[in-house]
Amino acid sequence: NAGVMQNPRHLVRRRGQEARLRCSPMKGHSHVYWYRQLPEEGLKFMVYLQKENIIDESGMPKERFSAEFPKEGPSILRIQQVVRGDSAAYFCASSQQETQYFGPGTRLLVL
Amino acid sequence: QQQVKQSPQSLIVQKGGIPIINCAYENTAFDYFPWYQQFPGKGPALLIAIRPDVSEKKEGRFTISFNKSAKQFSLHIMDSQPGDSATYFCAANGGATNKLIFGTGTLLAVQP
Repeated sequence: NAGVMQNPRHLVRRRGQEARLRCSPMKGHSHVYWYRQLPEEGLKFMVYLQKENIIDESGMPKERFSAEFPKEGPSILRIQQVVRGDSAAYFCASSQQETQYFGPGTRLLVL
Repeated sequence: QQQVKQSPQSLIVQKGGIPIINCAYENTAFDYFPWYQQFPGKGPALLIAIRPDVSEKKEGRFTISFNKSAKQFSLHIMDSQPGDSATYFCAANGGATNKLIFGTGTLLAVQP
């Protein structure tokens, strides 16, 4: 019974490049949440998606960031034209009801 | 109103001690309060969770105490072990979308 899967686990990008982070929820889970964790800080909510719908994107920066959860395949968090301040750990969590289970995260480093 | 305040920022205890981590919130609409444990380089793992209609919940060596009137809740770790050394986060469910509002974390070190 696989847990939440995220890939890649580590991602290095140069300023101006695009970053694509993938999240496969636990089997049977239809809710996906993305959180960002800056060094030595807590997790901050970014976006909540269900299949093919963005439900709450109140924590998502207005520019350069987008997310999707297509009918088939993993959820994608996309960051365009990355800047150094985007360096962080990005976690996704999935749930069927209120309990959220987290993946191992993607650590993004922007050079 | 969406904040969850967590203290202390760091904590050192001896093996067998009982570390206590405290959290406070303001939004009375919060109705679900989980605690997560995170080891370096790993994702947060759910430890235990509580609802405001219960004043205490125990799971193994972990206990949550909840004070609804004071809008505070705390995590107690009984008979702490070096393997409990990790960062602990409290959180609150933020309403209709179930997004979690996290505290800033407590770095716990349990010395042998």
